[in-house]
Amino acid sequence: DTEVTQTPKHLVMGMTNKKSLKCEQHMGHRAMYWYKQKAKKPPELMFVYSYEKLSINESVPSRFSPECPNSSLLNLHLHALQPEDSALYLCASSQDSEHRDEQYFGPGTRLTVT
Amino acid sequence: AQTVTQSQPEMSVQEAETVTLSCTYDTSESDYYLFWYKQPPSRQMILVIRQEAYKQQNATENRFSVNFQKAAKSFSLKISDSQLGDAAMYFCAYRNHYSGNTPLVFGKGTRLSVIA
Repeated sequence: DTEVTQTPKHLVMGMTNKKSLKCEQHMGHRAMYWYKQKAKKPPELMFVYSYEKLSINESVPSRFSPECPNSSLLNLHLHALQPEDSALYLCASSQDSEHRDEQYFGPGTRLTVT
Repeated sequence: AQTVTQSQPEMSVQEAETVTLSCTYDTSESDYYLFWYKQPPSRQMILVIRQEAYKQQNATENRFSVNFQKAAKSFSLKISDSQLGDAAMYFCAYRNHYSGNTPLVFGKGTRLSVIA
């Protein structure tokens, strides 16, 4: 199974809502990532988890809160978002070893903030 | 800091023809990885091909091959016998060697259209 799954596929939320994005992989990968992607742009890294610990936070606003409950799951909690946060949110995973480094991406969650 | 440059925002190719997408990068490291990712309109990003910097031999995956010129810091992707399903955004990406969770540095992408 070389699949990263993400739910929901689409999400529309108001600026006062609280919602969560979910990501799951069963490849035994120990590194997981959140990216934000605007239309026709490359993905921008937000967070990296390695062995369930946050290892990189790319100065992301606190209205985005990541959580890694276990090695297979990664959540992104959203609160008080702004319209400019509307984007495709991609999850990825990799083995977190020197020699097996490919990142596998999920299909993404299309988020619209109204 | 490392940077990746894709100088062709858009390219087009006739079906069954060959097209080359260019990518250059800047790094002071000697050991790193380079990747080409494909993102079709359905949006899931998939890995097309990878190259280890210490390997002189160019990577090949079926119709996809790279021309890796380490001294010139160039990493172009050649797609042979282009198919309609090759239409997508292609991103070139760089990663330092270290551990597996070292972030990828992406180029801005090249949108490839395939003409029937």
